[in-house]
Amino acid sequence: AQKVTQAQTEISVVEKEDVTLDCVYETRDTTYYLFWYKQPPSGELVFLIRRNSFDEQNEISGRYSWNFQKSTSSFNFTITASQVVDSAVYFCALSEKGYGGATNKLIFGTGTLLAVQP
Amino acid sequence: EAQVTQNPRYLITVTGKKLTVTCSQNMNHEYMSWYRQDPGLGLRQIYYSMNVEVTDKGDVPEGYKVSRKEKRNFPLILESPSPNQTSLYFCASSFTGGSYQPQHFGDGTRLSIL
Repeated sequence: AQKVTQAQTEISVVEKEDVTLDCVYETRDTTYYLFWYKQPPSGELVFLIRRNSFDEQNEISGRYSWNFQKSTSSFNFTITASQVVDSAVYFCALSEKGYGGATNKLIFGTGTLLAVQP
Repeated sequence: EAQVTQNPRYLITVTGKKLTVTCSQNMNHEYMSWYRQDPGLGLRQIYYSMNVEVTDKGDVPEGYKVSRKEKRNFPLILESPSPNQTSLYFCASSFTGGSYQPQHFGDGTRLSIL
C-alpha cells in the first residue's frame, strides 16, 4: 500500500541552525514521484520540489536541499541556516504512475511543523 | 496571475444545511481535485476530475458531491453537512492527470459544521 511517513510532528530550532525534515515512503510501483509542499501560517500550500523515482541526484536550491535515497525509501529535506520565514508545516507527498491511467492522486504525510525562533 | 480560487474562505454553518464550496482555475488545467486536511491525518483526496464531465471518487468521498460542467470550475457540494465534515478543504489543479504533474492549490476553505 502507498504510504508516506513524516515521523517528526514538530521541530523547533533557533535561527541560523540547519534542520532536516524526514520523509519515508512506501510504494509497490517502480515509477513514482515525490513532492514537498510548504504550508505557511497563512494556510496556502506552496509547491517546493518534485522528484521522479529514476532520478536519485540530490538537489539544491538556495538554502534548500533534498536527499533522495531509494535504498532506504527516503526523501529528506534540509534547510541550511534557517530563518524565521521558514516557519511552516512541511508536507511530503507521493504520486504513483499507476496502472490503467494515472489519477494524479497525492498521498500526503501528516506534516512536520517547523518553528524557527529568532 | 495563474491561480486557483476557492470561495468562501471561511464558513460556519449548521448540520443539514446544504452548502457549496466553489473552485475556479484560470490555467486551462484539465485535472482538478478536492482534498481535506485534518490534524494528524495530513491531506486526503475527496474527489477528482480528469476533464469536463469526468469525475471519480478519491479516498474519502462519503458525504460529498462534485460536478465538472466547465473546465475551469469544480464545485464541492455538501448536501447534508455533519460535524465530522468540519475541516480545512483545498481545491487543486494540474495541467493533466499525469502523476508527475505538480498540483496548484487554492488558499483553502475552513468549514465548521455545528
